[in-house]
Amino acid sequence: DAGVIQSPRHEVTEMGQEVTLRCKPISGHDYLFWYRQTMMRGLELLIYFNNNVPIDDSGMPEDRFSAKMPNASFSTLKIQPSEPRDSAVYFCASRRRDGYQETQYFGPGTRLLVL
Amino acid sequence: TQLLEQSPQFLSIQEGENLTVYCNSSSVFSSLQWYRQEPGEGPVLLVTVVTGGEVKKLKRLTFQFGDARKDSSLHITAAQPGDTGLYLCAGGLLLYNFNKFYFGSGTKLNVKP
Repeated sequence: DAGVIQSPRHEVTEMGQEVTLRCKPISGHDYLFWYRQTMMRGLELLIYFNNNVPIDDSGMPEDRFSAKMPNASFSTLKIQPSEPRDSAVYFCASRRRDGYQETQYFGPGTRLLVL
Repeated sequence: TQLLEQSPQFLSIQEGENLTVYCNSSSVFSSLQWYRQEPGEGPVLLVTVVTGGEVKKLKRLTFQFGDARKDSSLHITAAQPGDTGLYLCAGGLLLYNFNKFYFGSGTKLNVKP
């Protein structure tokens, strides 16, 4: 199994540009999560999907952020327009439920720098 | 304000020493997880504890869930340089049969050879 795949691994962009982060979850997992990690705020949940449907987007910072999951094997997180304070590492994770065990698998992350 | 507070934030020790990392909250959790994250990678799940007072061992790592399910500890015996990394706890709050996990601020461990 390839694990959770994210692209790109690094992104440098200028303020005001659109940024799109991509994620391929592990096959068979029915939950997908987008997290953001910074030194100041730690690891924060932005949004999660169940069976491709967005369930809770209460962690999305503002309207500049949007996420989609058009099918079970692909999700995007878009920032438009980007701002320097969006600089962070963005993780995608997928989870399956196996009895009471809920094992969450993280991707390697996308390191975003907005200049 | 973090739902889960971890202490210490940073820990630098010599190989062979023992250490304990704490994860505290005023909330009661349905389960608690510990992760280790290495630079440039995503967190990797180490263990899940679900019962108050539960103790789990993973080689030299011992995890304990508090009796009231509000806190947890991670104890490492005879630390090795390979234990270096960021340790994160995550508490699960159950809502509509789904566990939403909230992460602590993390403890950055450096084990010197």
